[in-house]
Amino acid sequence: DQQVKQNSPSLSVQEGRISILNCDYTNSMFDYFLWYKKYPAEGPTFLISISSIKDKNEDGRFTVFLNKSAKHLSLHIVPSQPGDSAVYFCAVPNYGGSQGNLIFGKGTKLSVKP
Amino acid sequence: AAGVIQSPRHLIKEKRETATLKCYPIPRHDTVYWYQQGPGQDPQFLISFYEKMQSDKGSIPDRFSAQQFSDYHSELNMSSLELGDSALYFCASSLGRPASQATNEKLFFGSGTQLSVL
Repeated sequence: DQQVKQNSPSLSVQEGRISILNCDYTNSMFDYFLWYKKYPAEGPTFLISISSIKDKNEDGRFTVFLNKSAKHLSLHIVPSQPGDSAVYFCAVPNYGGSQGNLIFGKGTKLSVKP
Repeated sequence: AAGVIQSPRHLIKEKRETATLKCYPIPRHDTVYWYQQGPGQDPQFLISFYEKMQSDKGSIPDRFSAQQFSDYHSELNMSSLELGDSALYFCASSLGRPASQATNEKLFFGSGTQLSVL
């Protein structure tokens, strides 16, 4: 059963507009959340993270929002740029696992059109 | 800056054959992780090593084994290959404290090895 769910396989937005990527999780014990970005023929690269003690973390054009009661987080990209076109994975540390044992969602493919 | 190097980039094998995937971590990184991503699937954690010792184990089949060497590079050995083993295999590295649930889970991934089993 999927513990981290990204229900939108793809998203298309216009350059300059906001991209919102969503992620839901099932285990209320998860306390740290990450977003990774993946370009074709490359490995995932870390983008931004958030701890459960916060509800928002911002890094430049990227902001992650966490709603613990809803077990939901979202990644906002403003303004979106064509270079942001990639697959975005939501990930959480596997509860009880050691560092680097991450549970990933299936990813959302973002296409930013010029 | 040096990244995680994986070899080969592509590998084609037949059923029941064996395969060895190699991973060279970023210099001074002491921890390596292996992930498997099937077509259209999420990356699945297989196994990790810290200072040459296995630190955690995920959904790795018994037909697979791995180790980390004294220079910190790692090899994933796969035997009796099955069609379902066809996937993209990622290696990642970091500076580790794998005995604890660290708050910094920032992993550096290689570009992966695409394994096709025919």
